[in-house]
Amino acid sequence: QSVLTQPPSVSAAPGQKVTIPCSGTRSNIGNNYMSWYQQVPGTAPKLLISDNDKRPSGIPDRFSGSKSGTSATLDITGLQTGDEADYYCGTWDTSLRVYVFGTGTQVTVL
Amino acid sequence: EVHLVESGGGLVQPGGSLRLSCAASGFTFSDYSMSWVRQAPGKGLFWLAKITQDGIHKFYVDAVWGRFTISRDNARSSLYLQMDSLRAEDTAMYYCATYRDSPVHKDYWGQGTLVTVSS
Repeated sequence: QSVLTQPPSVSAAPGQKVTIPCSGTRSNIGNNYMSWYQQVPGTAPKLLISDNDKRPSGIPDRFSGSKSGTSATLDITGLQTGDEADYYCGTWDTSLRVYVFGTGTQVTVL
Repeated sequence: EVHLVESGGGLVQPGGSLRLSCAASGFTFSDYSMSWVRQAPGKGLFWLAKITQDGIHKFYVDAVWGRFTISRDNARSSLYLQMDSLRAEDTAMYYCATYRDSPVHKDYWGQGTLVTVSS
C-alpha cells in the first residue's frame, strides 16, 4: 500500500553501521524533503531526520540522512542496543496530495 | 512542555462512528498544520489526513475519503477526527501529530488512542 519501499529488516553488531534505503518516485522523494522516524514498539514515532539531512536538537550525529534523485538513505553509525526499533521514511507526495510513509525497517543489533 | 493528548478511542461496531480528539498544549497550536496518522496492529505507519493552520484546507488519503473528517478548534487548541462508516480494517492506534510546513516547525506526536472496530 505504501509508495515508499524499504527493506523489512537490517542488522549489525554493536558499533557497526547500518544503512536503510528508501525508494520512491519523482512525485514524492524526487520533489519533496525527506524525513526519517524512529519508533520503538509500543511508543509514538520520533523524528530523527527532517529536510533530507537535518537532525532535530537532541538527535545524535550517529544518525544521518541523505537524498539523491528518487531515493533516500538513513545511516546509523556506532550502532547501540538502544537503536533497536522500527525506522520509517516519509515525505509529501505531490501527485497524490498526501503524506506517505515507507514500509518500515526493523533494525536489530546482533 | 509540549503535550498532545488523544482521546475518544474505544470499541465500536462495524458501520459505527467515533470522534477522536487531540488536546494540544505547550506550543502555539494555531501556527501548525496538524495530521492524523494510524498504525494497525503489527503494521506500519499510515498517514490519514492533514488540516492547515486556518482549518480551511484539508487533505485525505483515499482509504478514508468521504468517511473521515478532520477539523480543529484553534481557540481550544484541539484537533478532531470524525470517523463514520467504520470498518474492521480501521482498527488501529490513532496518533495526532504536528505537520511541518517549514523548517521552523517542530515535530510533535501524541501517544495515541486505540480504535477497535469489531462486532
